[in-house]
Amino acid sequence: QQQVKQSPQSLIVQKGGIPIINCAYENTAFDYFPWYQQFPGKGPALLIAIRPDVSEKKEGRFTISFNKSAKQFSLHIMDSQPGDSATYFCAASSPSNDYKLSFGAGTTVTVRA
Amino acid sequence: DAGITQSPRHKVTETGTPVTLRCHQTENHRYMYWYRQDPGHGLRLIHYSYGVKDTDKGEVSDGYSVSRSKTEDFLLTLESATSSQTSVYFCAISETGNPYEQYFGPGTRLTVT
Repeated sequence: QQQVKQSPQSLIVQKGGIPIINCAYENTAFDYFPWYQQFPGKGPALLIAIRPDVSEKKEGRFTISFNKSAKQFSLHIMDSQPGDSATYFCAASSPSNDYKLSFGAGTTVTVRA
Repeated sequence: DAGITQSPRHKVTETGTPVTLRCHQTENHRYMYWYRQDPGHGLRLIHYSYGVKDTDKGEVSDGYSVSRSKTEDFLLTLESATSSQTSVYFCAISETGNPYEQYFGPGTRLTVT
């Protein structure tokens, strides 16, 4: 069973909209939560990551919100552009598990012009 | 793709034949990983290595073996390929100083007929 549950499976927004992708986990030993972006035919690329000691992290138009008590985190893409159309994966990791990443199932985001 | 190459990039093989996929890195990173990517499952860890000749199983290791005789090369072998092993395979690396951040190669698309 997947240790990280991701939703929705896909979403479509208009240019300038804010797609939001949600992830939930159970293992409280996780202490690193990255997001990966993948374009068709390419490998996943590390986009942004957060540790549980902060509730929010921003890098450019990408923001992670983290709720430790709810064991949930989410990715927001501000002012989305057609070039942001990709599949996004959340993941989680801990040193007690050799830093292995547990991935969510992925969300395909389509930004329409 | 962070100094990672994978070969071959595409392969079609028949059920029952052995297949070896190669991951080569130029970063001198300690950790190397093999994942498979299938729709609806995200990325699932097959095997990983934390040094030369040090390897361990991931969550979907059945039917796969690995070897790492040099820091730069990590080989994934399907001893007797089955149709269920049709997938896209990704190699990833991470460094000793920051094992959390994994960087992915371009992938190998394997089709078993």
